Amino acid sequence: AQSVTQPDIHITVSEGASLELRCNYSYGATPYLFWYVQSPGQGLQLLLKYFSGDTLVQGIKGFEAEFKRSQSSFNLRKPSVHWSDAAEYFCAVVADSSYKLIFGSGTRLLVRP
Amino acid sequence: NAGVTQTPKFRVLKTGQSMTLLCAQDMNHEYMYWYRQDPGMGLRLIHYSVGEGTTAKGEVPDGYNVSRLKKQNFLLGLESAAPSQTSVYFCASSSPSGGAGDTQYFGPGTRLTVL
Repeated sequence: AQSVTQPDIHITVSEGASLELRCNYSYGATPYLFWYVQSPGQGLQLLLKYFSGDTLVQGIKGFEAEFKRSQSSFNLRKPSVHWSDAAEYFCAVVADSSYKLIFGSGTRLLVRP
Repeated sequence: NAGVTQTPKFRVLKTGQSMTLLCAQDMNHEYMYWYRQDPGMGLRLIHYSVGEGTTAKGEVPDGYNVSRLKKQNFLLGLESAAPSQTSVYFCASSSPSGGAGDTQYFGPGTRLTVL
């Protein structure tokens, strides 16, 4: 069965520092992969998604993610974090050939001034 | 264009009471979903619908029922609420036109507490 692992429950970075959030997936075929962000008390907003093609995907708010098949990873990065990036981040994969998303447990990002 | 809306935003129930959560979308999406979010567990799919009049079970369907009588609405019902159903509930919708990887758009959530 498909699964998504986000090994970091919390990450704290200083404002202006770079960020990398880890995501590993378990899936036999080429996956459809997503990163969503959830600000406190809000719903989920799509940051970026990967279907095929270029393995480096650009998203909104200056985020990017790189798909590495050999490592079964889809890590999210940002070169310079802003205080407004403090939120919870979820990695997700589409299950089988359906449209159902399987979510990781999330990583909460804290930003130090 | 409101996107996905959910009613109510907050609700407190006593064990055994029933309630219905309403999800509405104005994007003409075929697919709709109900998730629950619990601390440390991400979002888990309860039920989903691939079109008006159709519903299917997700990962954690027990204790919930759903209906999709109109394309734009997806209702989630709790017939006899239990404390284990205390959670934040999210509705989402998507269009299959882009393939299995099409984006799901989420509502703002309903925070439900069962005492």
